[in-house]
Amino acid sequence: GNSVTQMEGPVTLSEEAFLTINCTYTATGYPSLFWYVQYPGEGLQLLLKATKADDKGSNKGFEATYRKETTSFHLEKGSVQVSDSAVYFCALRGLYNQGGKLIFGQGTELSVKP
Amino acid sequence: GAVVSQHPSRVICKSGTSVKIECRSLDFQATTMFWYRQFPKQSLMLMATSNEGSKATYEQGVEKDKFLINHASLTLSTLTVTSAHPEDSSFYICSARDEGTYMNTEAFFGQGTRLTVV
Repeated sequence: GNSVTQMEGPVTLSEEAFLTINCTYTATGYPSLFWYVQYPGEGLQLLLKATKADDKGSNKGFEATYRKETTSFHLEKGSVQVSDSAVYFCALRGLYNQGGKLIFGQGTELSVKP
Repeated sequence: GAVVSQHPSRVICKSGTSVKIECRSLDFQATTMFWYRQFPKQSLMLMATSNEGSKATYEQGVEKDKFLINHASLTLSTLTVTSAHPEDSSFYICSARDEGTYMNTEAFFGQGTRLTVV
C-alpha cells in the first residue's frame, strides 16, 4: 500500500541555517504530494504541494520538488527562522484520490534556536 | 484558503461520559470529511471517512460503536466519543476538501480538539 517515510527528528538548527527534511514515498502511479506544518497545540496547515513529477512547490521560503525517479519530496529552506519551529508532515494522496485520504509520514519536529 | 472550524478546542471529561466534537466547513461544502487521531509526538492516524448522508467508513481497528460519526449536512460532521476512558485521551483533528474547486487537491484542517479523560 501507499506509505510515506520522513527523516526522524527532532532537528535542531541555529537561526539562518539551511534546512532539509527528507521525505520518500511508496505509491502506485503518480500521487499528489504535500507538506503540512503543525504549530504547537494547533491543527495542520498546508505549506506546499506538488501534483506531478518535476513540479516544485514553494511557500514562505520553503521548497520541495516532486522527484519520481527517487520517489522523494524533500523539504528545503535556505535560511530558517525561530518562527519556523514546528512539526512538519509529508503526506501523499494516491492516484484516483482514493476517497481523498491523505497518508502522512511520522512528522519531523524542527527547533530553531536564536 | 477555505476554513474548517473545529469545536471545542479543548475538553476535559469524566471517564464513562460521552463527548461530541464538531467539524464545520465555513465557506465551502464538503460531502466528505476525515477524522484523524494524533498521539503525542506521533503522526496522524486516519480514523474514519465521514460521508454526508450515509454511513462513515472506518479504518481497520477503529471501533465504530466507540467513535460515532454523523455527517448530517454538507458543512457539518460530528465525532462522538462514547463512554470515554483515559486511553481515549488524544488530539483529534478533522479535515475537509473544497469539492467545488476545480482540480482540488488540497485538504483543509480544523484546529484540533485536545480531549482529556479523567
